[in-house]
Formats: sequence, C-alpha cells, structure tokens
Amino acid sequence: DTEVTQTPKHLVMGMTNKKSLKCEQHMGHRAMYWYKQKAKKPPELMFVYSYEKLSINESVPSRFSPECPNSSLLNLHLHALQPEDSALYLCASSQSGLAGNIQYFGAGTRLSVL
Amino acid sequence: EDQVTQSPEALRLQEGESSSLNCSYTVSGLRGLFWYRQDPGKGPEFLFTLYSAGEEKEKERLKATLTKKESFLHITAPKPEDSATYLCAVGDDKIIFGKGTRLHILP
Repeated sequence: DTEVTQTPKHLVMGMTNKKSLKCEQHMGHRAMYWYKQKAKKPPELMFVYSYEKLSINESVPSRFSPECPNSSLLNLHLHALQPEDSALYLCASSQSGLAGNIQYFGAGTRLSVL
Repeated sequence: EDQVTQSPEALRLQEGESSSLNCSYTVSGLRGLFWYRQDPGKGPEFLFTLYSAGEEKEKERLKATLTKKESFLHITAPKPEDSATYLCAVGDDKIIFGKGTRLHILP
C-alpha cells in the first residue's frame, strides 16, 4: 500500500482566515514533503521533514507554517494568504529524506483564496 | 545549475501510434531518475525509477530507459486512457522536476 491521504480535497478561504491542510501516511516513511503546484506547471518543493525535523524550507513565506506532530502526520497551517497562493497543494512521503528515494504523492488539496 | 528538460511539451497521438518522451538532465550527482504520471487535478502517480545508465523498466505499454544524459519513456500502442501529463524528476541533493509532457491520445 502506497497511500498518502490528504484532507480536505478542496478548500476555499478568505485572506483573513486561518486554515490547515492535513496529510497522513502509514507506510512507515520517515520523510514527508509539501509541494505547491500551479496549473500546467511542475510541483514546487516547499518543505521537507526528515525524522520529524524540518530539514528544508525553500524560502517559503511565513504565512505558510508546517508542522510534523509525528512520523505519520504532516500539517500545513495557512494564515493571511494571498489570491496568488491559490494552487494544488501536494503532500508526499518517502522512506527517508535521501533524494534517491521514491516519493509517493497524495491526491492534493485544491486551495482557492478569495 | 542542475536542470531537467522534457520534450516535447505536448504530444497528440492517434490510438495505437507509438512514440517516445524525452527527459534530459544535468546534475552533479544522479541519485535516481523518476517518471510520474499526473492526471488533471490529481497528485503525481509513481511509474518508474532508474538509477544507472543502461537500466530499463517496463509496465504495460510503458518502457523507461536511462543513459548518462537522458531518459526516454517509450509508449507502445497507446490507448486514450494513457492521456495524462508525464513528469520526469531527478534526484540530486533533492528532487528536481521537469515541466512535463502533456500527452493526448485520440481514439
């Protein structure tokens, strides 16, 4: 089973709202990732957690705040977003944080910021 | 600078018309080349990983090959359900994605 589960599937929020995206995997993977994907573009890496510690932050604005409560869960807290933050947000996991490991992706959360 | 370039950007084929997608890369230390399939509005689905030049992998109508500078995804006798965006990604110190090839198979 290579399933990564993301909730919610769709989210609409105003610029003053606070919301969270959730991601869960039960494959025993120790690395988890957040990506942002705009239409007809490849996924852009935002954050990497390896062994529950933040190992990579790709200079993401502070209005995006990741959290890894345990090795199976990954959250992305959203606050004061801008309309240009509307995108598909993808979570992925891999066995470890090494670049040679296969990343398995969730179905994504489609975020619209009004 | 590490780069991953996919070509063509888009490809339309008739059902049954075989073709190949290309992924060329320049990285300092290849730690794996990955092919994914992505349907609109969904997450990428893992297809293959290749680690060394000369390696080949097959799955149904798809076959992936790797050389020192590029990878090909060969699609044999495609069907309309093979229509999707195919993403190539290269592992160096992190994963770098190409822009993808949008494949459309006409019935």
